[in-house]
Amino acid sequence: NAGVMQNPRHLVRRRGQEARLRCSPMKGHSHVYWYRQLPEEGLKFMVYLQKENIIDESGMPKERFSAEFPKEGPSILRIQQVVRGDSAAYFCASSLLSGTGLPEAFFGQGTRLTVV
Amino acid sequence: EDQVTQSPEALRLQEGESSSLNCSYTVSGLRGLFWYRQDPGKGPEFLFTLYSAGEEKEKERLKATLTKKESFLHITAPKPEDSATYLCAVQAGGYNQGGKLIFGQGTELSVKP
Repeated sequence: NAGVMQNPRHLVRRRGQEARLRCSPMKGHSHVYWYRQLPEEGLKFMVYLQKENIIDESGMPKERFSAEFPKEGPSILRIQQVVRGDSAAYFCASSLLSGTGLPEAFFGQGTRLTVV
Repeated sequence: EDQVTQSPEALRLQEGESSSLNCSYTVSGLRGLFWYRQDPGKGPEFLFTLYSAGEEKEKERLKATLTKKESFLHITAPKPEDSATYLCAVQAGGYNQGGKLIFGQGTELSVKP
């Protein structure tokens, strides 16, 4: 867990503001995943990125949400014009494809977003 | 639609009382099944990956098994420090593609001394 770094750990935003969540993957990992955990719900996939590419964004809301993983620097999940329903824990995971081709994903500690 | 169901939702055990957690799944083309442990306010901690029916893996007091339709996480002689939410997840998709995990709702385990 300690290897995947997310910041901030807690973020409070007023309705209509922007939220920027950052994720630095484990050293050597080039695959990043974002998940959302709503209160009393399970983890839901949002987006899968490799360096400079979005591979699968099937879980991303169509509006206000975007993600990037630039060549240099952390992955960023951006939420524009936040609403109360965006309040949740956002987790980042990273992986290195194993020899079998199946990634064992390691998670960060999460960013808890509260929209007031 | 790919789906993962965990049972029970909550489980209370006395220290030393062995039990099992269930994860049933329906997925087209299972690539792997994953077990994680999550403590309150923390991120999921990786425990096991199972790839094919009949496979078993062990770590300390935990043992994970896999069949074609479900997985079990057996906890032998649990201790209070085993208290956590245990998450099961599956991955479907093409070989070498990586990709998303589909999680169950979790089983909240509480072990009393």
